[in-house]
Amino acid sequence: GQQVMQIPQYQHVQEGEDFTTYCNSSTTLSNIQWYKQRPGGHPVFLIQLVKSGEVKKQKRLTFQFGEAKKNSSLHITATQTTDVGTYFCADGGGTSYGKLTFGQGTILTVHP
Amino acid sequence: NAGVTQTPKFRILKIGQSMTLQCTQDMNHNYMYWYRQDPGMGLKLIYYSVGAGITDKGEVPNGYNVSRSTTEDFPLRLELAAPSQTSVYFCASSYSSGHEQYFGPGTRLTVT
Repeated sequence: GQQVMQIPQYQHVQEGEDFTTYCNSSTTLSNIQWYKQRPGGHPVFLIQLVKSGEVKKQKRLTFQFGEAKKNSSLHITATQTTDVGTYFCADGGGTSYGKLTFGQGTILTVHP
Repeated sequence: NAGVTQTPKFRILKIGQSMTLQCTQDMNHNYMYWYRQDPGMGLKLIYYSVGAGITDKGEVPNGYNVSRSTTEDFPLRLELAAPSQTSVYFCASSYSSGHEQYFGPGTRLTVT
């Protein structure tokens, strides 16, 4: 079945450093959603990318969708301790009733 | 709006016991989902529903059952609990396919 691979699994950074997580699929993604889960919390929607080559920004977060729609990335500039958590990408599955296929997530630790 | 609510927050079951995890949303969403999350893993879809009276299996349905008699409620039933069902269970809802999903706070289940 559809698999979404996410790397790295873990990332430790010093506060102020940048952070990037990558999401890859062997098949074309219809759309990609990104979620953040704080420790002990639940996933919270960040953004959805639909178009090939799309780039969206939310303050210090930059999201990209690859030209071939087989990969995506999330980049955080100048991390803060509030960025701590697990970042998931998910294949939106097109018209398949909104079923999401999640990557395994990247756990971000930010050292003050 | 309370969003998506789940009960209980925590539960310990003995092997072979049964229980129902409750999920309610007050956003009038047609689409609802049940996921399980194991440590260090992404979320796996158990069951989903696209409206009252309509349910279907996700990626990991074995050992679970669902029903959807109203738009608001989507309970998940565990029959004959097994240690492999130890996990955190999240319920989610969305307006439609291709829209963001709203997650509940989760139920942490331990089967011993």
